[in-house]
Amino acid sequence: EAGVAQSPRYKIIEKRQSVAFWCNPISGHATLYWYQQILGQGPKLLIQFQNNGVVDDSQLPKDRFSAERLKGVDSTLKIQPAKLEDSAVYLCASSSQSTGYGYTFGSGTRLTVV
Amino acid sequence: GQNIDQPTEMTATEGAIVQINCTYQTSGFNGLFWYQQHAGEAPTFLSYNVLDGLEEKGRFSSFLSRSKGYSYLLLKELQMKDSASYLCAPKALNNAGNMLTFGGGTRLMVKP
Repeated sequence: EAGVAQSPRYKIIEKRQSVAFWCNPISGHATLYWYQQILGQGPKLLIQFQNNGVVDDSQLPKDRFSAERLKGVDSTLKIQPAKLEDSAVYLCASSSQSTGYGYTFGSGTRLTVV
Repeated sequence: GQNIDQPTEMTATEGAIVQINCTYQTSGFNGLFWYQQHAGEAPTFLSYNVLDGLEEKGRFSSFLSRSKGYSYLLLKELQMKDSASYLCAPKALNNAGNMLTFGGGTRLMVKP
């Protein structure tokens, strides 16, 4: 079974620029999550999708962050404009009932805002 | 709401046993996961407890007490490669479906 694919692996941008991350979950996993992990901390949920619908985006800073999951498969997370405090690893994960709703994580995108 | 508490750092010696504790207060609690995360890598699944008691899997065991809001991860015969962060993640069943909330992680350093 192929894992969760994410790209790019690394990204360095200047503050106030925009950036987008891409995620392709495990085939058949209906639920997709984006997490932000700041160095030395645990992952924090940004948004949760069930198929192509948003079920929880309460911790997403909507003034600068947006996410979509068209057709219920791939997802993109965008930041516009970026701030220095957005420097973190952005993890995508997917889950299904067959996994007991445990997550499989992608390798993440390490974002550095300078 | 969610409140998860685990030690920030622990140090142990190769070949020894270490126990990483986690306490939580989780609305709609529906099980607890432990993940291992090596530096610069994504978290990987270690264990899942939904009922009270001990689940053993090789060198790793995980315990859950739902009434006490308490879990621990037990690592036996420590190896250098066990140096990593260990994330406690209670699962909640709520209007958003199933969701894991992660603790800050316990960074374990295994020394020779």
